[in-house]
Amino acid sequence: EVQLLESGGGLEQPGGSLRLSCAASGFIFSNYAMSWVRQAPGKGLEWVSSISGNSEMTYYADSVRGRFTISRDNSRNTLFLRMDSLRAEDTAVYYCAKYYYDSGRKSFDYWGQGTLVSVSS
Amino acid sequence: DIQMTQSPPSLSASVGDRVTITCRASQSISNYLNWYQQKSGEAPKLLIYAASSFQSAVPSRFSGSGSGTDFSLTISSLQTEDFATYYCQQTYSSPYTFGQGTKLEIK
Repeated sequence: EVQLLESGGGLEQPGGSLRLSCAASGFIFSNYAMSWVRQAPGKGLEWVSSISGNSEMTYYADSVRGRFTISRDNSRNTLFLRMDSLRAEDTAVYYCAKYYYDSGRKSFDYWGQGTLVSVSS
Repeated sequence: DIQMTQSPPSLSASVGDRVTITCRASQSISNYLNWYQQKSGEAPKLLIYAASSFQSAVPSRFSGSGSGTDFSLTISSLQTEDFATYYCQQTYSSPYTFGQGTKLEIK
């Protein structure tokens, strides 16, 4: 059974930093790309970042590029999101998602339960 | 960036009804279109990928269609557990944008 468990969220001041983690199990972690998606309170889903299985390729939304860094440790089956220069508009539930892609399919097929990040003074 | 426009934003329906949600992309995305269901307080769940393929264990009352710029999700006979918010997402090119969501409510 695929399981994704996020942690690391909390309350942080504007300009501060947080590191989110996502512990994965139930699949061969290194074989799959992974992604972060966020959802501000009462709002829709926003894709944040994705990383390939071997970490060679990373992608970011314009809203976080230069402030957030996605990474992974395949030996520990863990995905990370380093969040620097936090802003109030970064307040959201952050989900990690397993990213399944091949020649005919690119989808986020499993999601974690999310971790809440609140940015406020 | 590719913009995804869902309609309607909200929909009120009864158990047993047939409902259709549409999603339009601002440019052609081939069939790189996914549909997700999100119930209140829960994580999103993949329903349909590649516009019309079922994720495992998704009931057959759900179906997806479309290609290019115009897509739809149909629920053939609404069940109580289907009342939720539905999102489309394009994965044709980064950034992988979502539609704004369609909230399906009980009439």
